[in-house]
Amino acid sequence: DPKIIQKPKYLVAVTGSEKILICEQYLGHNAMYWYRQSAKKPLEFMFSYSYQKLMDNQTASSRFQPQSSKKNHLDLQITALKPDDSATYFCASSPGQGNTEVFFGKGTRLTVV
Amino acid sequence: QQKVQQSPESLIVPEGGMASLNCTSSDRNVDYFWWYRQHSGKSPKMLMSIFSNGEKEEGRFTVHLNKASLHTSLHIRDSQPSDSALYLCAASPPSGGNYKPTFGKGTSLVVHP
Repeated sequence: DPKIIQKPKYLVAVTGSEKILICEQYLGHNAMYWYRQSAKKPLEFMFSYSYQKLMDNQTASSRFQPQSSKKNHLDLQITALKPDDSATYFCASSPGQGNTEVFFGKGTRLTVV
Repeated sequence: QQKVQQSPESLIVPEGGMASLNCTSSDRNVDYFWWYRQHSGKSPKMLMSIFSNGEKEEGRFTVHLNKASLHTSLHIRDSQPSDSALYLCAASPPSGGNYKPTFGKGTSLVVHP
């Protein structure tokens, strides 16, 4: 019974298009994150949110925009998609902004053609 | 620049053997270390954590931490084929402030029967 739900599981997009990756967590956590992982790059931190407030942004490109409509919800909007954006995007959460375990969702595998 | 360095990049051990993985942080403002395991096609899951100098054992897994050198190691004894996975190390600063769990590139472990 997954507690961090990511949708969709797989996504194929055309270069130049826009997609939204969905993430909801039911762990009661206050902090949420986005990570990216590809064959070319290791697990890479992208964003962190705490109580729906952006805490850190390590993504250089403004094409990536997190959106938090509720405390347990953190979507990722990606615009002007490029083949280089192809990766597995993991949503994660932790109880708070502190030294706690990070729990990962199952990921959305994005392929840009 | 990767702040969490892991070695070796890949490791092959025979079933029943000992696997030793290393991790060092170049960020002196870290206090906690985490080891995650990621099986192929799956999301990372926390395996062990260590906050104090010394050693911590859980079943076949032992972690060591030397805070002075910011070095941690994970040892897997009696390795099993099911231990084959990517092992990720993460380091985090003391509680408070901006929590950004940062991972190393990982060690890919293969345990062959």
